[in-house]
Amino acid sequence: DAGVIQSPRHEVTEMGQEVTLRCKPISGHNSLFWYRQTMMRGLELLIYFNNNVPIDDSGMPEDRFSAKMPNASFSTLKIQPSEPRDSAVYFCASSSRRAGGVDSPLHFGNGTRLTVT
Amino acid sequence: AQKVTQAQTEISVVEKEDVTLDCVYETRDTTYYLFWYKQPPSGELVFLIRRNSFDEQNEISGRYSWNFQKSTSSFNFTITASQVVDSAVYFCALSEAGDDKIIFGKGTRLHILP
Repeated sequence: DAGVIQSPRHEVTEMGQEVTLRCKPISGHNSLFWYRQTMMRGLELLIYFNNNVPIDDSGMPEDRFSAKMPNASFSTLKIQPSEPRDSAVYFCASSSRRAGGVDSPLHFGNGTRLTVT
Repeated sequence: AQKVTQAQTEISVVEKEDVTLDCVYETRDTTYYLFWYKQPPSGELVFLIRRNSFDEQNEISGRYSWNFQKSTSSFNFTITASQVVDSAVYFCALSEAGDDKIIFGKGTRLHILP
């Protein structure tokens, strides 16, 4: 069974360009999370979806960041325009949400390493 | 609000020594879940364990063991007879029942020296 699939693995772009990160969750999982990892701030939750609906985007740093989940098998995280401080590893994770909250473990993708120059 | 604190930023031990990674959490909920994840140098995040707040039994899995103490809001992780392959960053995480968020601590970078 395939795990969470993220693309691209690496992205190098110039400041001001639009960046789109992609994620395919594990089939059957109904919760999807976007995290950002940096040395200074560790793993930060940016946004999560449940049944394709955004539930909490309070972690999205600025309006330059947006995320969509058009269907159960695909999500995107877009940064427009990108800035050097957006450089980080972006992880997508999925899980199966049960009644009463998420108690199943997150399954993470391998991450996208973004470098904005 | 939920919070996870891993006070140890970095630990180095010599191979075969035992090492304990500390995790202290804060939550107002009586029902919650605790997790440990491992991030080896290759970068992926690997799930290790999940506990719910009603199960305070300690757990052992091979060389790994976990000590959950609600009285001190701690969920510590011990590696016995450490090996070089245990070198990684280890994250403790918390989610509250009814809330899908899983919040991570800052992680502890563990170096096992040969």
